[in-house]
Amino acid sequence: EAQVTQNPRYLITVTGKKLTVTCSQNMNHEYMSWYRQDPGLGLRQIYYSMNVEVTDKGDVPEGYKVSRKEKRNFPLILESPSPNQTSLYFCASSSGSGGNQPQHFGDGTRLSIL
Amino acid sequence: GENVEQHPSTLSVQEGDSAVIKCTYSDSASNYFPWYKQELGKGPQLIIDIRSNVGEKKDQRIAVTLNKTAKHFSLHITETQPEDSAVYFCAASGGSYIPTFGRGTSLIVHP
Repeated sequence: EAQVTQNPRYLITVTGKKLTVTCSQNMNHEYMSWYRQDPGLGLRQIYYSMNVEVTDKGDVPEGYKVSRKEKRNFPLILESPSPNQTSLYFCASSSGSGGNQPQHFGDGTRLSIL
Repeated sequence: GENVEQHPSTLSVQEGDSAVIKCTYSDSASNYFPWYKQELGKGPQLIIDIRSNVGEKKDQRIAVTLNKTAKHFSLHITETQPEDSAVYFCAASGGSYIPTFGRGTSLIVHP
């Protein structure tokens, strides 16, 4: 079954404690991206990757890092989380250049930073 | 950059009625316009999309129309059912690799 898998699904942590949210896709997609979803603001892109070792900033990259060492994996790293990063996060993948293709989303990771 | 406005933010209809959600975009270079449905506890899922060389596309009870001149596109759902209740997002992309999403419409279908 084609899918995008995120872990963990829920996390409560404290300010300053580094955390990583993993994302994996099994569709051999070139393009992967991370979004955050906040009430009333819709989905905003944090970072995207066109392929292995190629990453670029989205609209709201501050406070986040990513890496793309393998095609299937695209982890999101919060080096020093702060309360304003409390949000619902989605990983997505798509074929080709990504921006102009249908995206497949994971089921989300709800982060609470205290 | 691109700006996408989506209306209404909430839409309440009776089962069997039609529902229409509208989006406008600002970047004339945008050429891909998908619609996603998000159910509670799930990620958004593509339900229909349209490209700028097409004016209308239909898939059973769902249709999307695009007016490039006016820079707006709409989602039409006919014969609504309770399982259509969800949050719907429009998006626009083309000028860059970053798709821009609308803020979402919460559709409630009353049985």
